[in-house]
Amino acid sequence: GAVVSQHPSWVICKSGTSVKIECRSLDFQATTMFWYRQFPKQSLMLMATSNEGSKATYEQGVEKDKFLINHASLTLSTLTVTSAHPEDSSFYICSARMRTAYEQYFGPGTRLTVT
Amino acid sequence: ELKVEQNPLFLSMQEGKNYTIYCNYSTTSDRLYWYRQDPGKSLESLFVLLSNGAVKQEGRLMASLDTKARLSTLHITAAVHDLSATYFCANSGAGSYQLTFGKGTKLSVIP
Repeated sequence: GAVVSQHPSWVICKSGTSVKIECRSLDFQATTMFWYRQFPKQSLMLMATSNEGSKATYEQGVEKDKFLINHASLTLSTLTVTSAHPEDSSFYICSARMRTAYEQYFGPGTRLTVT
Repeated sequence: ELKVEQNPLFLSMQEGKNYTIYCNYSTTSDRLYWYRQDPGKSLESLFVLLSNGAVKQEGRLMASLDTKARLSTLHITAAVHDLSATYFCANSGAGSYQLTFGKGTKLSVIP
């Protein structure tokens, strides 16, 4: 149980375009979803926290107009990287938490390369 | 500001040896998590520690938590090559479910 999927697993896009990443909880309802970014050889950095039906809370230094997060249902959150630039190339990982638990369940990650 | 500090950041050890990774955290929240990450992969949950004195073991890995010292340890017993990976500890702030991660410990087990 507690499986989280992400789609796509990897994506290459051209500079200036937008790309959407989906995060789904497959067998539970996710009250809260988290989005992390991980640069090579670095740790995970929390980008934003989203609760179903409400606006995402972004961490300091994360541009909310550039990284659009939509948590439209209890099983789906999306991250849209708008006007992507090469410096946005990274490994994006989502996680989800169910209402009755404190533990986060991590998705397999999406590797974004902006050329 | 919540801080989570791991050491060492790099660990090269021979098969069969024992070693410990340390994780210090700064908050009063005593939920401590350990994860494993293989290259190019996401996180795999290893342990969740919730109370002082908590000890959990899985195979050659054992994690413990000392809330008074705000310290968790991940002990590796008789290391094998398959344990080579990066290990992260993470802590959530008091009253929060958000995780702050340590920088990770890259473990290389050498035959």
